[in-house]
Amino acid sequence: SQTIHQWPATLVQPVGSPLSLECTVEGTSNPNLYWYRQAAGRGLQLLFYSVGIGQISSEVPQNLSASRPQDRQFILSSKKLLLSDSGFYLCAWSDSAMETQYFGPGTRLLVL
Amino acid sequence: LAKTTQPISMDSYEGQEVNITCSHNNIATNDYITWYQQFPSQGPRFIIQGYKTKVTNEVASLFIPADRKSSTLSLPRVSLSDTAVYYCLVAPSGGYQKVTFGIGTKLQVIP
Repeated sequence: SQTIHQWPATLVQPVGSPLSLECTVEGTSNPNLYWYRQAAGRGLQLLFYSVGIGQISSEVPQNLSASRPQDRQFILSSKKLLLSDSGFYLCAWSDSAMETQYFGPGTRLLVL
Repeated sequence: LAKTTQPISMDSYEGQEVNITCSHNNIATNDYITWYQQFPSQGPRFIIQGYKTKVTNEVASLFIPADRKSSTLSLPRVSLSDTAVYYCLVAPSGGYQKVTFGIGTKLQVIP
């Protein structure tokens, strides 16, 4: 069966510090991968998606970037965090044929 | 992509059937309707997906009228553990990378 992992689960970072969140998927090949952010009490905002290694599409201009160095690895990064980057970050995958998205446990980021 | 409208919140007592309706007036011919459930501090979880008429699984039923301009998620005999946010999504096959989840419907189950 397929599983999706995210780490860390919780992160507290100072403003201006770098960020690296990692997401890995097991049990599938060539998945579509997604990064979402959810602010408190809000819906999910799609940040990036990827249909293959090195292929990244950005949905929202921001202080973040994403990379996909391996087929089942998706990384969300920032060089300098802003207060507004605080939120709940979710990684998801989908089978390119089925489209239903399966979400990871999420990372709660607090920028102080 | 079709825009969806659903109630912001609903309350229900334990043991009751809950129906959450989603409007999607400009749904396209090749759009599917998908519902997700999200508990606090967790990622959304797929519940059910359909194209037309009725779909049922072990968790819920999805009713879609002939014009497909709305859909209703039905949860039978809810329990406290069904308290969550429920999202309705409409998108074509191959189009889910553009989907916006919105704020969903917050269901509160009352003892």
